[in-house]
Amino acid sequence: DVKVTQSSRYLVKRTGEKVFLECVQDMDHENMFWYRQDPGLGLRLIYFSYDVKMKEKGDIPEGYSVSREKKERFSLILESASTNQTSMYLCASSHVKGFGETQYFGPGTRLLVL
Amino acid sequence: AQSVTQLDSHVSVSEGTPVLLRCNYSSSYSPSLFWYVQHPNKGLQLLLKYTSAATLVKGINGFEAEFKKSETSFHLTKPSAHMSDAAEYFCVVRPRSGGSYIPTFGRGTSLIVHP
Repeated sequence: DVKVTQSSRYLVKRTGEKVFLECVQDMDHENMFWYRQDPGLGLRLIYFSYDVKMKEKGDIPEGYSVSREKKERFSLILESASTNQTSMYLCASSHVKGFGETQYFGPGTRLLVL
Repeated sequence: AQSVTQLDSHVSVSEGTPVLLRCNYSSSYSPSLFWYVQHPNKGLQLLLKYTSAATLVKGINGFEAEFKKSETSFHLTKPSAHMSDAAEYFCVVRPRSGGSYIPTFGRGTSLIVHP
C-alpha cells in the first residue's frame, strides 16, 4: 500500500513566522505535489516536483517555496506566514509511468495562522 | 489549456436512491479523467479513472462513470446511495499529451445522504 505521510495534522502559527510542512512518500514516486484546499475552491496547486531538486510553480505559488533534496521527501515552506494562508494543505505523489497515473494523497495539515 | 466544472456544489439524496454527480471538462488534448472522494478529515482517495479504454468505468464502492466525448462529460453515478457515501467528490482532468503532468481539479461536490 502506498503511504503518503505529512508531518502534522494540525498546526497553529503566528503571522510572520516561517513554517515548514513536510511530506514523505514510500513508493519511490517521481512526482510530488503540494495543494491547498479551501471551501468552495477545490484543490489548488501550489508547487509540483517531478524529480529531486526539480520544481515547477503551480497556480498559486506566491508566498510559498518548496524543497526536494531526496526523492521521498517534499517540503513546503511559508517564508513569512500570513492569515490568508490559513488553510488545509494536502500533499500527493504519483509515478511518471503514464498519463493515467493515480495521485496518492496524505491526510492533510490544517494550518491556522493567527 | 484544461478546465473542469462540477455543476453542483451540493447534492442531497435519500439512502437507497440513485446518485448523480455531474462533471464537464475541457481539454486541448485527449484527456484522462478521474474521480476522487474525500471523507471528513481524510485525504483524497481514487474512486475511478478513465484513460482511453472502455468509456464506462467502474470504480470502488459501486460507483461508475461514463466518458462522453461528444458532451465533454464524465458524470459519476451510483444506483443506490449508502450513508457511508456522504463525502466530498472531486472530478479531475489531465491531458494525455502535450507534455503537462499537472492535473486540474474541479471545485468539488458535497454529497449529503439522508436516512
